[in-house]
Amino acid sequence: QQQVKQSPQSLIVQKGGISIINCAYENTAFDYFPWYQQFPGKGPALLIAIRPDVSEKKEGRFTISFNKSAKQFSLHIMDSQPGDSATYFCAASSPNAGNNRKLIWGLGTSLAVNP
Amino acid sequence: DADVTQTPRNRITKTGKRIMLECSQTKGHDRMYWYRQDPGLGLRLIYYSFDVKDINKGEISDGYSVSRQAQAKFSLSLESAIPNQTALYFCATSDRRQTGELFFGEGSRLTVL
Repeated sequence: QQQVKQSPQSLIVQKGGISIINCAYENTAFDYFPWYQQFPGKGPALLIAIRPDVSEKKEGRFTISFNKSAKQFSLHIMDSQPGDSATYFCAASSPNAGNNRKLIWGLGTSLAVNP
Repeated sequence: DADVTQTPRNRITKTGKRIMLECSQTKGHDRMYWYRQDPGLGLRLIYYSFDVKDINKGEISDGYSVSRQAQAKFSLSLESAIPNQTALYFCATSDRRQTGELFFGEGSRLTVL
């Protein structure tokens, strides 16, 4: 049972276009939603994250939009560049006993930005 | 030098062999994790450790074991490797105050023939 559903599985965008990746979740206890970026041959790295007290967070060309009522959040990459070609993972977590957290991962989206 | 170092980076082995993947970190983090990545299946947690005396199973621990030799070292063992353990394995760390941010190594690609 996938607690965080990510779509699409793959995405091809032209240089300069907008890349949009969506994630949906069920557990209303989730209170932290990060996006990780993974380049070929490398481990994932945190790209941007949001908490549900805000509806949007922007860092450069990357924006997270968060819809608490719909239990959805999305990553928008503006002016997409070939260097953005990577696999993107959304994730979610909630505090557990002892303030320990585990990330629940989406299955990933492979983004290719054509020059 | 990388903050989270995995060895070996690539390994080809045969069915039934014992394999150890090692991870060391210089970030000073208490928490360490082993993940497995397969195409289309995302990242799946194998084992995690919140400190040297704490070891916990993840969602796919069968066929794997771990050892936390020190705060900075966390190794993953396959006692008798099988072909469906062919995958990319990642070690990751996080600190005690974690907001959820994980710091990953560059991965160990394991092929079991």
